[in-house]
Amino acid sequence: DVKVTQSSRYLVKRTGEKVFLECVQDMDHENMFWYRQDPGLGLRLIYFSYDVKMKEKGDIPEGYSVSREKKERFSLILESASTNQTSMYLCASSHRYPSSYEQYFGPGTRLTVT
Amino acid sequence: ELKVEQNPLFLSMQEGKNYTIYCNYSTTSDRLYWYRQDPGKSLESLFVLLSNGAVKQEGRLMASLDTKARLSTLHITAAVHDLSATYFCAVDTVYGGATNKLIFGTGTLLAVQP
Repeated sequence: DVKVTQSSRYLVKRTGEKVFLECVQDMDHENMFWYRQDPGLGLRLIYFSYDVKMKEKGDIPEGYSVSREKKERFSLILESASTNQTSMYLCASSHRYPSSYEQYFGPGTRLTVT
Repeated sequence: ELKVEQNPLFLSMQEGKNYTIYCNYSTTSDRLYWYRQDPGKSLESLFVLLSNGAVKQEGRLMASLDTKARLSTLHITAAVHDLSATYFCAVDTVYGGATNKLIFGTGTLLAVQP
């Protein structure tokens, strides 16, 4: 079974704090993704990575950065958390196109910034 | 810019009834995905539709894809309470030949009443 795990299910942070969200996959997937999910907006892509040390901006990268030092691990960093970053964050992974394209999702981290 | 629209956004239906969720997208794509999300949980893959005319069925759910009309439907037959969840469609775009990016619809919240 494909397994994507995220470091925390729930997180509460204060405005201005640096926040790290970690994602680990065990299926040797080349691609990894970070999304945020907000009511009425669906899922929006923040950043993705198609290889170690490679990263690409998604649709809403402002206020975020990422790190991928190992193939199985993809971290999302909020350099200075703000209240508008309160959201559900979902990590996903997939094999490189065209061998397989389906994305598998982690359980999500619900982040609250106060 | 690829846009994905789902309707309805909210669907309340009685057990035993049939209904259809629609997913329209704005630019060419040959691959479409349907996901299910239970409250507080992550996304679970339901169907992957890979070509025009593709139809897939699992239990009371049937998904189809018409790439010429840029339309996918998720048909629910004889709904049961266990189908209550949020359903997302997502359309595939290929980035750089090696990675696919998914653009998600806003989701349809399905509530099946006894």
